[in-house]
Amino acid sequence: TQTVSQSDAHVTVFEGDSVELRCNYSYGGSIYLSWYIQHHGHGLQFLLKYYSGNPVVQGVNGFEAEFSKSDSSFHLRKASVHWSDSAVYFCAVSASNNRIFFGDGTQLVVKP
Amino acid sequence: NSKVIQTPRYLVKGQGQKAKMRCIPEKGHPVVFWYQQNKNNEFKFLINFQNQEVLQQIDMTEKRFSAECPSNSPCSLEIQSSEAGDSALYLCASSLLGGLEQYFGPGTRLTVL
Repeated sequence: TQTVSQSDAHVTVFEGDSVELRCNYSYGGSIYLSWYIQHHGHGLQFLLKYYSGNPVVQGVNGFEAEFSKSDSSFHLRKASVHWSDSAVYFCAVSASNNRIFFGDGTQLVVKP
Repeated sequence: NSKVIQTPRYLVKGQGQKAKMRCIPEKGHPVVFWYQQNKNNEFKFLINFQNQEVLQQIDMTEKRFSAECPSNSPCSLEIQSSEAGDSALYLCASSLLGGLEQYFGPGTRLTVL
C-alpha cells in the first residue's frame, strides 16, 4: 500500500521568509516523487520531481526538495517566499504509468 | 507548461442527468489518467488508458462512470446519472509510455444541483 503524508494542513509565513513543507511517504518499490502546486480554482502545476541521483532537486520559481530514503521524506523548501506562492501544495508518489498517490495537501499562506 | 486541454471548464447538471467532459492529452502522450478531486482536496484515481485500452480503473468507474479514449478523438469521461456527491474537480493527465511524469489539464469543475 502506498501512502503519502503531509503533516501540516496549513502553513502561514511572511513574504521573504523561508518555508519547508513536509512530506513523508510509504511505498514498496521504485518510486517517483513529485510536488505539485494548485492555485485556487485552477488545476495542478508541476513543481519538481525526484527519481534517482542527486537527492536535492531544483524546481521552478526557486523551489527545491530533498529526498531522504532513511526518513522516507521528500520535503519542499523555498528560501524566500513571495505572496504569489500562496497556494495548496501536494506531494505525490507514483510508479511508471501508474496512478499518482497524492497527499492531503498543505495550504501555504504568504502574508505581505 | 502542460498542454493538456480539458473542456468544459465548468459543468452544471441536475441529479440524474448525464455529465460528459473531454480531454485532449499532450501530443505524443499515449497514457491518459482521470482523477476526481473533492472539496476537501482529496484525490481519487478513476481510470487510466494506454492509447484506447483501459489499464486500470476503480469499481466506481465501472458502475456509473464510463470513459473512453478513441483514436483521433478527445478522451471523455461521462457520468451516466449524476449524483450530488459527484460534484468535484475532474482532472485529466497524460504521460509518455513508461513515463513517470504526468501533465495535468486545468480540470472540469462539475456541480450537481
